[in-house]
Amino acid sequence: KAGVTQTPRYLIKTRGQQVTLSCSPISGHRSVSWYQQTPGQGLQFLFEYFSETQRNKGNFPGRFSGRQFSNSRSEMNVSTLELGDSALYLCASSVNYYDSRTEAFFGQGTRLTVV
Amino acid sequence: DAKTTQPPSMDCAEGRAANLPCNHSTISGNEYVYWYRQIHSQGPQYIIHGLKNNETNEMASLIITEDRKSSTLILPHATLRDTAVYYCIVRGYGGSQGNLIFGKGTKLSVKP
Repeated sequence: KAGVTQTPRYLIKTRGQQVTLSCSPISGHRSVSWYQQTPGQGLQFLFEYFSETQRNKGNFPGRFSGRQFSNSRSEMNVSTLELGDSALYLCASSVNYYDSRTEAFFGQGTRLTVV
Repeated sequence: DAKTTQPPSMDCAEGRAANLPCNHSTISGNEYVYWYRQIHSQGPQYIIHGLKNNETNEMASLIITEDRKSSTLILPHATLRDTAVYYCIVRGYGGSQGNLIFGKGTKLSVKP
């Protein structure tokens, strides 16, 4: 069974640009969550999607957005990039979003560098 | 904020058991204890989770105290590849309670 796939693995962008990251969940998983990891703030929750609807959102500015498609694949977008957006962006998938009994599995992440 | 407290770092000799403690004194009745680990710059790896009974799988054992205010993750025979940051997370049911809130974790160093 394939794991969570994130593309691209590495990305370099310039300040002011926008970026789109992709996440393909494990087959049969309908919930996708996104996290940002930086050395200073650690792992922080961005948002979660289930059945194409955003269910939860973390404390991030509106420049961070996402969406989920009918096949459960998800994308996140960051507009007007800032240097502080440089981070490892992680995607996690689970069967359901409301069932704390089921584990979430993470992808390898996308390393975004903003210059 | 994370609802758990973990020591920032621990050492363990290769081949010995690694016992990683976690305090979660404010855990409520329907919240599960989850453990993940992250090897440098990789995505977090799921290890194990439990509600109130002790759990064991091929990776580790999870011991939860009777009052559920603390737990211990046990890696029975640590290897150098177990060197990682280990996160203990309390996860609730539904909505924002279902999110994984990561603290700083415990950096486990397995030494030869």
